[in-house]
Amino acid sequence: DTEVTQTPKHLVMGMTNKKSLKCEQHMGHRAMYWYKQKAKKPPELMFVYSYEKLSINESVPSRFSPECPNSSLLNLHLHALQPEDSALYLCASSAHPMYEKLFFGSGTQLSVL
Amino acid sequence: GESVGLHLPTLSVQEGDNSIINCAYSNSASDYFIWYKQESGKGPQFIIDIRSNMDKRQGQRVTVLLNKTVKHLSLQIAATQPGDSAVYFCAENKNSGYALNFGKGTSLLVTP
Repeated sequence: DTEVTQTPKHLVMGMTNKKSLKCEQHMGHRAMYWYKQKAKKPPELMFVYSYEKLSINESVPSRFSPECPNSSLLNLHLHALQPEDSALYLCASSAHPMYEKLFFGSGTQLSVL
Repeated sequence: GESVGLHLPTLSVQEGDNSIINCAYSNSASDYFIWYKQESGKGPQFIIDIRSNMDKRQGQRVTVLLNKTVKHLSLQIAATQPGDSAVYFCAENKNSGYALNFGKGTSLLVTP
C-alpha cells in the first residue's frame, strides 16, 4: 500500500461548526504533515509530526488543532474557522522525518461559509 | 519573500517536444530538492529528487539539474506527452530538513 488516504474529500462547514479531517497511511512512515493550499498557490506547511510527536507548528491559529493518535493516523480538528480558511488541506507522510520525499494524499477541499 | 521561485508561471509545449521548467532558490543552505507534479483535483505527486552533492539526476523521461553556484534547479521532461499537463512545483528542504518549502509553480500545457 503506497497511498495516503484522506477523508472526507469535500467538506462544507459553518463558522460555528466543529469538524475533523482524517489522514491514514500504511507505509510504516514515521513522519506526517499537514499542508494548506489555496487555489493556484503552492502548498504551505502547517504542522509536522515526527514519531507521533508534534515537531513543527508553523504559527498556525489555534482554531486548527492537530492530533496524531498513532503512527498511521493524523487528524486535523477544526473549530470556529473563518471563510479565509477555505482551501485544500493536504496530508503527507515520509519514511523518516528528515530529507525525505513526501507522499501526499488527494486532500480535503474545505469550504467555510 | 519566498526562498523558492520559478521563472515562468506558464509553459506551453507541443506533444513530443522536450520541456524545461526552471526554479530559483535563495537559501544557499538548502541541500535537498524535489520536483512535484500536481494534476487538477489531486495532491502533489513526487517526480524526482536531488541532493546538493549531485549536479544531475535522471529518471524515466525526466532529468533534474542543480546548479548550486547560481542557485538554480531545472526539470527536463523528454518527449512531452498530454498526460504531462499539470502544475509543477519545485521544493527545497526547510526547518533544518524537517519539511519542504514549495515554489510558486509552473503550469505546463501540452498541445497536440
